Amino acid sequence: QVQLVESGGGVVQPGRSLRLSCATSGFTFNDYGMHWVRQAPDKGLEWVAGISIDGSTKTYGDPVKGRTTISRDSSKNTLYLQMNSLRVEDTAVYYCTKGSEFDDWGQGTLVTVSS
Amino acid sequence: QSALTQPPSASGSPGQSVTISCTGTNSDVGGYNYVSWYQQHPGKAPRLMIYEVSKRPSGVPDRFSGSKSGNTASLAVSGLQAEDEADYYCSSYAGSNSYVFGTGTKVTVL
Repeated sequence: QVQLVESGGGVVQPGRSLRLSCATSGFTFNDYGMHWVRQAPDKGLEWVAGISIDGSTKTYGDPVKGRTTISRDSSKNTLYLQMNSLRVEDTAVYYCTKGSEFDDWGQGTLVTVSS
Repeated sequence: QSALTQPPSASGSPGQSVTISCTGTNSDVGGYNYVSWYQQHPGKAPRLMIYEVSKRPSGVPDRFSGSKSGNTASLAVSGLQAEDEADYYCSSYAGSNSYVFGTGTKVTVL
């Protein structure tokens, strides 16, 4: 079955960087665009970034634009999110999700930005 | 990229129906037939319930249905069951490969 497993979260100081990973299995990774969605504590869902099937098109939500890079490695069936200049307001559970309908989700990884 | 507007809460007794609205603009909900709905139980990942306005993924009960009129999409849940108590979020394609989510609605089964 489809599996999406995020990792890389943790506690980080403001201004530092973090790279999240999403290991996938159970589907043909190269057939789907992929996305990151986050959810701050007790808040709603927020689309963060998306990447096309071939990795050529990358788009970002306004709150992370210029500080974040989404990428994918088809040899490892893995999605990444490089986050730089982290802010307290980036604190959230980060989910990876598949396809334009977000039809499968990982369990999420918690990123806490705090001094 | 302003969030789509949903009512904070909705409720109904078991067996009754509840409808949740999701209001956007001509640049998102009104401009594309790419509205989806997600169910999220506490501490769990979201689950896709409706996509492309009214299509149900395999495994989603037909008690869940979606529709759209102009800039407002709706999710209807009929025959409410205890397990339907959850948070529900809409999302829409917003052009230029970007997406926007709704503010979320907490559904309570009385």
